[in-house]
Amino acid sequence: DTGVSQDPRHKITKRGQNVTFRCDPISEHNRLYWYRQTLGQGPEFLTYFQNEAQLEKSRLLSDRFSAERPKGSFSTLEIQRTEQGDSAMYLCASSQLGQGFYEQYFGPGTRLTVT
Amino acid sequence: GQNIDQPTEMTATEGAIVQINCTYQTSGFNGLFWYQQHAGEAPTFLSYNVLDGLEEKGRFSSFLSRSKGYSYLLLKELQMKDSASYLCAGTGGGNKLTFGTGTQLKVEL
Repeated sequence: DTGVSQDPRHKITKRGQNVTFRCDPISEHNRLYWYRQTLGQGPEFLTYFQNEAQLEKSRLLSDRFSAERPKGSFSTLEIQRTEQGDSAMYLCASSQLGQGFYEQYFGPGTRLTVT
Repeated sequence: GQNIDQPTEMTATEGAIVQINCTYQTSGFNGLFWYQQHAGEAPTFLSYNVLDGLEEKGRFSSFLSRSKGYSYLLLKELQMKDSASYLCAGTGGGNKLTFGTGTQLKVEL
């Protein structure tokens, strides 16, 4: 078990460009979550998948954001036409699925800077 | 709404005990999680409460009162490495987490 991994760890892009982030969850975890965190704030929920199905999207996820988990394993988060307000840490987390509550394991995050 | 409120900053002395409070609106949450986050790192799980009462885990304990919408995290025998942000998070459908802004704890000598 190597934990949740994210790639890249840092991304600097110019306003208007598209970016794509990747998350590899813990292998046996069915659920995968994306969060966004800005300085001095707690993470904010963006979306989550159960296997390959995207079950919920936050109002924060504008039309410029899209996420996929095509084979129920890794996931990608794409931001089109980036804006300076998109600058944040993008965190991915995964958890098991079952009765009760399961802790979410977070990846190291991708820090996006839009110039 | 599902607001979660916690103090922004706290300072405590090495070796002491500190209690970090968290209040939330009772509708929508089935459980309460606590995470620790060091600067520049990902959040790491500390504890969760589903039922009322105290959950103890080594130097860390967490308490929940569902009727009052109140939780606290208790840290004993503070160490310098405990300086971090402590995030209170409510969980409901889909187990998605709704986080507070975090409490930045500074442990001093």
